[in-house]
Amino acid sequence: AQTVTQSQPEMSVQEAETVTLSCTYDTSESDYYLFWYKQPPSRQMILVIRQEAYKQQNATENRFSVNFQKAAKSFSLKISDSQLGDAAMYFCAYTSGTYKYIFGTGTRLKVLA
Amino acid sequence: EAGVAQSPRYKIIEKRQSVAFWCNPISGHATLYWYQQILGQGPKLLIQFQNNGVVDDSQLPKDRFSAERLKGVDSTLKIQPAKLEDSAVYLCASSLVGGYYEQYFGPGTRLTVT
Repeated sequence: AQTVTQSQPEMSVQEAETVTLSCTYDTSESDYYLFWYKQPPSRQMILVIRQEAYKQQNATENRFSVNFQKAAKSFSLKISDSQLGDAAMYFCAYTSGTYKYIFGTGTRLKVLA
Repeated sequence: EAGVAQSPRYKIIEKRQSVAFWCNPISGHATLYWYQQILGQGPKLLIQFQNNGVVDDSQLPKDRFSAERLKGVDSTLKIQPAKLEDSAVYLCASSLVGGYYEQYFGPGTRLTVT
């Protein structure tokens, strides 16, 4: 069965600094998609970034980038120039061609002014 | 563009009572998801619809939970009878289709079972 593991329950970063959130997954599928979603306090979950497994190039979205290591089944999120608005729960998620979505347990990111 | 709507936002019931949640997805989105998010955990997929057909309901406790999506648009999730462990936030999300496409989440319904 597929699993998604986020081993960091909480992380802190100084404003303007860089932080990396970790995610590992397990699957026997060769084609799948990985996502990072952000859930701000009392606000709706939104997509931060996504990666297709067949693409070797790491996805980037402005200050957000991923380090996708397919062989190691690792999918980390790097946030550069951290801002106070980045404070939130971050969830790593996986889906395969069968469309079964699996979310990790989340990492709470605190941004210190 | 209107987002995913959910109601009610909050609900408190006693155990063994029944409750229903409603979701209206973004117009034109074929795929609709219901998730259960227990405090401190990630969302767990309960059921996924593609139009009005069920794609995945493997984690839906079918002895007490039911869901339907009439005419491939609105959806209702029901719990009957509720248990204490059902206390959670129930999230509805929609996407154009499944797979790679971004899911748009509603505000959720916070259920407390006493």
